[in-house]
Amino acid sequence: GENVEQHPSTLSVQEGDSAVIKCTYSDSASNYFPWYKQELGKRPQLIIDIRSNVGEKKDQRIAVTLNKTAKHFSLHITETQPEDSAVYFCAAGRTSGSRLTFGEGTQLTVNP
Amino acid sequence: DGGITQSPKYLFRKEGQNVTLSCEQNLNHDAMYWYRQDPGQGLRLIYYSQIVNDFQKGDIAEGYSVSREKKESFPLTVTSAQKNPTAFYLCASSEGGLYGYTFGSGTRLTVV
Repeated sequence: GENVEQHPSTLSVQEGDSAVIKCTYSDSASNYFPWYKQELGKRPQLIIDIRSNVGEKKDQRIAVTLNKTAKHFSLHITETQPEDSAVYFCAAGRTSGSRLTFGEGTQLTVNP
Repeated sequence: DGGITQSPKYLFRKEGQNVTLSCEQNLNHDAMYWYRQDPGQGLRLIYYSQIVNDFQKGDIAEGYSVSREKKESFPLTVTSAQKNPTAFYLCASSEGGLYGYTFGSGTRLTVV
């Protein structure tokens, strides 16, 4: 089955800096890669996703890049703000399949 | 207002008891999922269902059971066979073809 590894487990940045979270996956057939943000005590929410037919996708301050050859994908947050502080999860799966496999999460702290 | 509802928000279980966690969605999604969240371990899949009257074991199904008698409902029973049930349980749903999940707000189960 799929195995997803996520790094780092904790990340602390100053407000205005950029943050990068990286994930690797094992199943070369995976073609769907979403990212979720979970604020303390709340449900995870989808913030951005990418499919394997593109290498990069951007939405305002958030971008995701995908390297299919190396089987890794990354979340980039620019101009970080304190409200970006949360746990971020990456996930991988097949669009023809039935489930997502999640990474272990990254606790991002943005210091004012 | 469309969404996915989990109840109760907090649940306390005595040793040896079975408890059932409720998950209801009105998004007309075909697929539903149960994940367990422990600190530092990300989201682990317990059971999932892609269609009514059918479900599959996930990675940590032992000690849990589910049913899918209606499209809208996917209850999870935590049985006495689950030796370490204290955790945060998240239900999710998605359209067929593995689009991003919509998560419920979770149930925090504690064994007393």
